[in-house]
Amino acid sequence: VQLVESGGGLVQPGRSLRLSCTASGLTIDDNAMHWVRQVPGNGLEWVSGVSWNSANIGHADSVKGRFSISRDNAKNSLYLQMNSLREDDTALYFCVKGRRDAFEIWGQGTAVTVSS
Amino acid sequence: QSALTQPRSVSGSPGQSVTISCTGTHSDVGGYNYVSWYQHRPGKAPQLMIYDVTERPSGVPDRFSGSKSGNTASLTISGLQSQDEADYYCCSYADGYNWVFGGGTKVTVL
Repeated sequence: VQLVESGGGLVQPGRSLRLSCTASGLTIDDNAMHWVRQVPGNGLEWVSGVSWNSANIGHADSVKGRFSISRDNAKNSLYLQMNSLREDDTALYFCVKGRRDAFEIWGQGTAVTVSS
Repeated sequence: QSALTQPRSVSGSPGQSVTISCTGTHSDVGGYNYVSWYQHRPGKAPQLMIYDVTERPSGVPDRFSGSKSGNTASLTISGLQSQDEADYYCCSYADGYNWVFGGGTKVTVL
């Protein structure tokens, strides 16, 4: 039972990156899914969330207009399209399966570094 | 979307109880019974300890308990053990399909 993130890496400011998350040993189609990030040495920050049927989507103010969350239940997968990246987007990004309005199962994270 | 307010650190001796507060507003903590708590050890993924203010997922010891009064939620760890040493984060659902975390509290077992 795990969530596996991919797509992180080093990118220049202003560029784009797409994160993916694939579920293994569990299905995600009945649950909200989220992205949560942690800046090195700092706390956790909720980034984006999507309901099970994509009817509800939310983004933190810090990424609104730049990031877009989506899901493909047929592929048991979650995505985060990150555009106009800034240096303060540098963080470890976790894919998280929701349980009611909490974050139940976490991936190990994928690191994103935004630097010139 | 301002972060919830938590103390930077709390400490206690083995066997004692510690309580971590988490203060928000009527738009998050005070407006919904959707407060959750997470234990985060370095190098590991965070673990859900409490959801819906007071509920414990299976496998979480009953030494961990949650409560809420007004705009402030609390996590109490009773019978403190060395393995409880970690960072703890509160989180609340907020207006408009948003979530907000607290800044985190470092628990030290003396």
